[in-house]
Amino acid sequence: AQSVAQPEDQVNVAEGNPLTVKCTYSVSGNPYLFWYVQYPNRGLQFLLKYITGDNLVKGSYGFEAEFNKSQTSFHLKKPSALVSDSALYFCAVRAGNRDDKIIFGKGTRLHILP
Amino acid sequence: DTGVSQDPRHKITKRGQNVTFRCDPISEHNRLYWYRQTLGQGPEFLTYFQNEAQLEKSRLLSDRFSAERPKGSFSTLEIQRTEQGDSAMYLCASSLEGGGREQYFGPGTRLTVT
Repeated sequence: AQSVAQPEDQVNVAEGNPLTVKCTYSVSGNPYLFWYVQYPNRGLQFLLKYITGDNLVKGSYGFEAEFNKSQTSFHLKKPSALVSDSALYFCAVRAGNRDDKIIFGKGTRLHILP
Repeated sequence: DTGVSQDPRHKITKRGQNVTFRCDPISEHNRLYWYRQTLGQGPEFLTYFQNEAQLEKSRLLSDRFSAERPKGSFSTLEIQRTEQGDSAMYLCASSLEGGGREQYFGPGTRLTVT
């Protein structure tokens, strides 16, 4: 069965510092991995995805994520955090040999402190 | 491209009443998904369509829930005989076909059952 774990309910980072939001996954076969962000009273917005190729993928708003197959991880990163990055972040996975639903993690709330 | 829209945005109903939600996907997307999100959780898959065909239903989707996409465009999700446990945010998403395709989410319909 597919699953996603986001071990931190909340991450606090000072503005200007680098941030990391952790995600680990479990799937059969090769994974398709996604990060989404949810701002208050708004729907989920797609940030970036890993399908194949380069392990470091870049996405919207300066975010990037690193795929690590041996550690089954897909951590979200940003070199310098902004207060406006404060939101709820979801990691999601789909098994590469399937073409249906995406399984989401529970989410990590990111607080960027001014 | 006007994005995914959902109607209504909020619905308050009394226990035992029926409710229906509508989702209008991005026009060229042939995949449409319904999710449910409760506080502190990530979106949980309910069902999805490819064009007008409903291809998968989650075990979360009891017999009181029914979804349709009659012409392969908009979709409706109906909940009959609502219960307080049905209170949640109901999210709709759409995508092109293909495992590596990201899903685009609507703003959601927040259901409160009193």
